[in-house]
Amino acid sequence: EPEVTQTPSHQVTQMGQEVILRCVPISNHLYFYWYRQILGQKVEFLVSFYNNEISEKSEIFDDQFSVERPDGSNFTLKIRSTKLEDSAMYFCASRPDWADTQYFGPGTRLTVL
Amino acid sequence: AQSVAQPEDQVNVAEGNPLTVKCTYSVSGNPYLFWYVQYPNRGLQFLLKYITGDNLVKGSYGFEAEFNKSQTSFHLKKPSALVSDSALYFCAVRDMRNNAGNMLTFGGGTRLMVKP
Repeated sequence: EPEVTQTPSHQVTQMGQEVILRCVPISNHLYFYWYRQILGQKVEFLVSFYNNEISEKSEIFDDQFSVERPDGSNFTLKIRSTKLEDSAMYFCASRPDWADTQYFGPGTRLTVL
Repeated sequence: AQSVAQPEDQVNVAEGNPLTVKCTYSVSGNPYLFWYVQYPNRGLQFLLKYITGDNLVKGSYGFEAEFNKSQTSFHLKKPSALVSDSALYFCAVRDMRNNAGNMLTFGGGTRLMVKP
């Protein structure tokens, strides 16, 4: 069964550094999402992406964040200058255009020191 | 705005007993409702959803959920719990009227502990 994959599984970075989190959505899916989960808190929506553009974003997704689909398979989340409060588990999700269910990857744990 | 509440941080149940994990929601329009499960060090796995139709929906691993519009609830149930069901369960909602990105709003999660 196809799955969403994410790399790396764990990323440690220094405050102020740029990080890129990578996701490979399920191959025939057209909608892509990033969510995050700060330890002990709710899963929070960050951004949705369709047809090579952002379709919706939350207040969390400020100018420090960007998303890109650089090729036909990858979907990336970039944080330009990480802050301590960016430490969280980041989940990528995708869904096809004919169904409402979002399928999630295993997550990348980002630790900002 | 849409929101989800899971009133119990943890639910404890003995193996073989029925389990219920509670969820209530708030949306402006009609809801799409979902349950996901998270095992340790794993991502969110889809369990089941309610879009329209029968109020009782069946999903993976013997789980089911009942949509109750008057009580704005979507409680997760299983007739006979297994120790392997122990995990973190998340309820999520999407407002049907939101066609932009279809963002999901999650509840805070409920930890299910099934004891032998």
